[in-house]
Amino acid sequence: SQQGEEDPQALSIQEGENATMNCSYKTSINNLQWYRQNSGRGLVHLILIRSNEREKHSGRLRVTLDTSKKSSSLLITASRAADTASYFCAREYGNKLVFGAGTILRVKS
Amino acid sequence: DAMVIQNPRYQVTQFGKPVTLSCSQTLNHNVMYWYQQKSSQAPKLLFHYYDKDFNNEADTPDNFQSRRPNTSFCFLDIRSPGLGDAAMYLCATKTSGSSGTQYFGPGTRLLVL
Repeated sequence: SQQGEEDPQALSIQEGENATMNCSYKTSINNLQWYRQNSGRGLVHLILIRSNEREKHSGRLRVTLDTSKKSSSLLITASRAADTASYFCAREYGNKLVFGAGTILRVKS
Repeated sequence: DAMVIQNPRYQVTQFGKPVTLSCSQTLNHNVMYWYQQKSSQAPKLLFHYYDKDFNNEADTPDNFQSRRPNTSFCFLDIRSPGLGDAAMYLCATKTSGSSGTQYFGPGTRLLVL
């Protein structure tokens, strides 16, 4: 399967704590993207990291990429209740994305 | 605001009764995608259009068809919906020739009775 794997499948934390989600993939990439999906809604793009980048920041988000281990992580710092959502990594090849299974994040206030 | 619009947001159909889901975009993107997402699963690409060129995924059932009459609109036709086709259907767009963001609509949730 070209799908990546994500862990944990579900994560429950208190507001203010940090949340870390991990993504692994099997084949080489041009870039890796992270998306958020609120319950019953479409996906929203969060961040894209290219294969020649190791770390990228956007507000409270930090994404790392280790191409030697074929893995990426998404860190959300100082989480808020509004961060409650599913988070997916996606590997791009050509014009297509292949999504990982996702991590369900619940932030308790 | 430029966006991807899907109608209806909820669609109920009967087993075997053809149904059409609609997607429109004001982004003027030339690539449009249809994904199927079942509960607690990742979105799965069904097919995409690169301009007018249709690209079907190998494992997309023949029951699923698509039309793109112009740049702005794309339709998903399910010829004979089965109970297993109940899912969220997501439309997305992207500008070709660049690595980058896909812009998703809010999705249509299909219920098959």
